[in-house]
Amino acid sequence: AQTVTQSQPEMSVQEAETVTLSCTYDTSESNYYLFWYKQPPSRQMILVIRQEAYKQQNATENRFSVNFQKAAKSFSLKISDSQLGDTAMYFCAFMKWTSGTYKYIFGTGTRLKVLA
Amino acid sequence: KAGVTQTPRYLIKTRGQQVTLSCSPISGHRSVSWYQQTPGQGLQFLFEYFSETQRNKGNFPGRFSGRQFSNSRSEMNVSTLELGDSALYLCASSGTSGNNEQFFGPGTRLTVL
Repeated sequence: AQTVTQSQPEMSVQEAETVTLSCTYDTSESNYYLFWYKQPPSRQMILVIRQEAYKQQNATENRFSVNFQKAAKSFSLKISDSQLGDTAMYFCAFMKWTSGTYKYIFGTGTRLKVLA
Repeated sequence: KAGVTQTPRYLIKTRGQQVTLSCSPISGHRSVSWYQQTPGQGLQFLFEYFSETQRNKGNFPGRFSGRQFSNSRSEMNVSTLELGDSALYLCASSGTSGNNEQFFGPGTRLTVL
C-alpha cells in the first residue's frame, strides 16, 4: 500500500526567506502523480504544484518549485521569497490510476508560518 | 465558473444522531470525493463517486455512506455519530483530464457532543 510521510508537523520562516517542506512516499508503481496542496487558515484547499512521475524535470510555479527524486521517493517543496500569504497548512499527495479509477493519498500536513 | 460548494458549513450534533452533508461539484465535473480531516491525521479518504456510482472506498465503517445524484451533486451520511467523528469533512471534485487535479470545497465542520 502506498504511504505519504511529511515529517515536519510545523515550520516557520522569515518573510522573504526560502523554506523547504519535506515529503517522502512509498510505492511500487512507476507511473503516478505527486501534488502539493495549500490550505490557508479557514480557507479552501488549493493546488500549489503537480509533478508527473515520468517527467524528470522538476516542476516550478513562480516562487514554488519541487525537488523530485524518484529513486529516493522524495518530493520536497521549496518556497522562495516567502510571503505572509504563504502561511498555511501544506499537504503532499500521491495519486495513481488503478482499475479504472484514481486514488489519492495525502500526508498528514506541515503547518507553515511566515513571520513578518 | 463556480467552485465546489458544501452545505452546511458548520454542524453540531450529539452522539447517536445522524447527519447528512451535501456537496455540489464544479459544473461539468462528474467525480466527487469525500475526505475526513482531523489534526494529526491529515486527510483520510472516505469514498469517491463517479456518474452516480461509488467507484472507490476508503477504510471507514459502514456508518459512513454516500450517494451521488444525476446532476453530480453528492451527499454523505454518517449514522450513529460518535465523538471521534468530529472533524472537517472535505469534498473534492475533478474533471476528466488525465492529471485528475482535485478542486476542494470549504468543508463542513462537524462537532459531535
